[in-house]
Amino acid sequence: DSGVTQTPKHLITATGQRVTLRCSPRSGDLSVYWYQQSLDQGLQFLIQYYNGEERAKGNILERFSAQQFPDLHSELNLSSLELGDSALYFCASSPRGGIVDEQFFGPGTRLTVL
Amino acid sequence: AQTVTQSQPEMSVQEAETVTLSCTYDTSESNYYLFWYKQPPSRQMILVIRQEAYKQQNATENRFSVNFQKAAKSFSLKISDSQLGDTAMYFCAFRGMNRDDKIIFGKGTRLHILP
Repeated sequence: DSGVTQTPKHLITATGQRVTLRCSPRSGDLSVYWYQQSLDQGLQFLIQYYNGEERAKGNILERFSAQQFPDLHSELNLSSLELGDSALYFCASSPRGGIVDEQFFGPGTRLTVL
Repeated sequence: AQTVTQSQPEMSVQEAETVTLSCTYDTSESNYYLFWYKQPPSRQMILVIRQEAYKQQNATENRFSVNFQKAAKSFSLKISDSQLGDTAMYFCAFRGMNRDDKIIFGKGTRLHILP
């Protein structure tokens, strides 16, 4: 157990819908990362937050948005869902968000878009 | 742009054997970090080992070691005395030194340890 929690574990929804994935980092970690793992795209970095501020952006679609709240938990919002958004979404956290920091991954949220 | 290539989609070895997973990468940077992550059937991503490019000594973590060849841009993972619990997907990853650099993963190698 990494100490990073993600809810829900599984989510099944329809095309066009909007969902919110939630992540609670390890106690004391200030930085949160979001990743998408799909069969065709592999594992891709989406976005990173540090202490409430966006720090780095990866291959995140405009239909997706994220934020980190004052209590340091983070939410990833996915809207206008398409079949291709079906994937495993991981959250990870690290103490300071630095390059040398080890990232601790949560168990992931499996999103299925029908 | 940086790329990470894992040329072995799948491998199988007998328990207790040694196995080497290959990884090559492409970058114009001189300083960076390389990682190997393990993803067992539980799907949780676990950091196995990491290497800083400016350190010439190969990183080692118990049964896991790397062969880092900077000039060849190669970063292979050796697992010694393989165990059934090593069965997993293994991802090689690259990250630059800039604060806003993103981590880039290879497509992964699925490793089966056979009893």
